[in-house]
Amino acid sequence: GIQVEQSPPDLILQEGANSTLRCNFSDSVNNLQWFHQNPWGQLINLFYIPSGTKQNGRLSATTVATERYSLLYISSSQTTDSGVYFCAGGTGNQFYFGTGTSLTVIP
Amino acid sequence: DGGITQSPKYLFRKEGQNVTLSCEQNLNHDAMYWYRQDPGQGLRLIYYSQIVNDFQKGDIAEGYSVSREKKESFPLTVTSAQKNPTAFYLCASLDGRSWGYTFGSGTRLTVV
Repeated sequence: GIQVEQSPPDLILQEGANSTLRCNFSDSVNNLQWFHQNPWGQLINLFYIPSGTKQNGRLSATTVATERYSLLYISSSQTTDSGVYFCAGGTGNQFYFGTGTSLTVIP
Repeated sequence: DGGITQSPKYLFRKEGQNVTLSCEQNLNHDAMYWYRQDPGQGLRLIYYSQIVNDFQKGDIAEGYSVSREKKESFPLTVTSAQKNPTAFYLCASLDGRSWGYTFGSGTRLTVV
C-alpha cells in the first residue's frame, strides 16, 4: 500500500500562533483528505483536497499532487484546535492514513 | 440528522470469545469501512464494502469478519483468532459525490 508520512509528529503552540503540518505520500494519489481527531476519538473531515488550495476559516490546505505532498495551515490557533491531525490518501475508494500530528494548544 | 452510529461505545471481551461491533449509517452512502486504531498510531484498514453483499479485505483482515446484508449496516466481528484485539475501532462511510468520509464515534474494545 501507499506509505504516508506526517510531520511533525508532535507540536505544542501558544494560543494565537500559526502552524504548518505536512503530509508526504510514497506514491501518487488521486484522493486526499485531512481529518481532525478530538480528544474523545471523534474524527472530523476537514478538507477533501486532491490538488490545489482550499480555505475554511482559520484552516487552509494546499496539495501539490505532482510532488506528492500536502500542507495544512492553522492560523491564530485556539485551544479547541488541540487533537490529532491525520491526512489520508489513495486511489479509488481506499485511503491510507498517516500516523498523525498531535497538536496541543496552550492558553 | 444523518450520520453513523457505532455501538457499543465500550466493550470488554474475554479471551476466546467472538464479539460483534455494530455500525449503522443513514447517509445513503454505498461505501463503508472498518478501521483499527492503536495508541499513537494512524488508522489501519480492516475491511471495506463498496456495495451490498460485497466486501474486500484491507491490510489487517486476519481474525476479523464482516457482512453487508443491508446498505445501512456493516457489522464487524472480532473473532477469537485475532491475537491482539484491544484497540479503538472506527467505522466510516464515503460519500461518492463529494469524497468526504464520515466517521462514527468509535468502539473501544478491551480484552480482559
